[in-house]
Amino acid sequence: GQSLEQPSEVTAVEGAIVQINCTYQTSGFYGLSWYQQHDGGAPTFLSYNALDGLEETGRFSSFLSRSDSYGYLLLQELQMKDSASYFCAVRDNQGGKLIFGQGTELSVKP
Amino acid sequence: GAGVSQTPSNKVTEKGKYVELRCDPISGHTALYWYRQSLGQGPEFLIYFQGTGAADDSGLPNDRFFAVRPEGSVSTLKIQRTERGDSAVYLCASSVIGREMEQFFGPGTRLTVL
Repeated sequence: GQSLEQPSEVTAVEGAIVQINCTYQTSGFYGLSWYQQHDGGAPTFLSYNALDGLEETGRFSSFLSRSDSYGYLLLQELQMKDSASYFCAVRDNQGGKLIFGQGTELSVKP
Repeated sequence: GAGVSQTPSNKVTEKGKYVELRCDPISGHTALYWYRQSLGQGPEFLIYFQGTGAADDSGLPNDRFFAVRPEGSVSTLKIQRTERGDSAVYLCASSVIGREMEQFFGPGTRLTVL
């Protein structure tokens, strides 16, 4: 089967750094994406890794290790508005199908 | 420019009825996707269009679900003989070909089957 595992909840304080891990088991692999979703809102794209290493986009960075079937999203200088659910998603073929994890609910406390 | 739009935003129907959900992708986005999301879960893939054709419909749960995109822009997801288990938020997304990892999602249609 195909599965993505990520923690269900993470709590951190404003200004801190938090890492959300994702491990995957899929039949194919063409990249790992991260999406943010606020309550009642649409998922919004944050970052994407197709190759091993770190991608940095402002306060957000994403890392991938294909040999370990593992990636993480790193959020720095946390702000209250970062409280949301974060999903990792794998593209498992050359088409556009994304397989999403169940999401990590991040709570940022003052 | 405008993002992905979906109508209606909410749909309440009775078990056994037929529903249509509409998606207007971002102009120029050739790829269009349908997902559905239940509370506390990640989006679940249903179908993917490249232009007018369904390139991957492996996520459609059964033959009650069907989607079209006749002119390569607007898409309609059609559900026949709705069941209570079909209740979910139906999300549409679009992307540029070659950047399928970066999908732009619409606000969704919340479908409730009574």
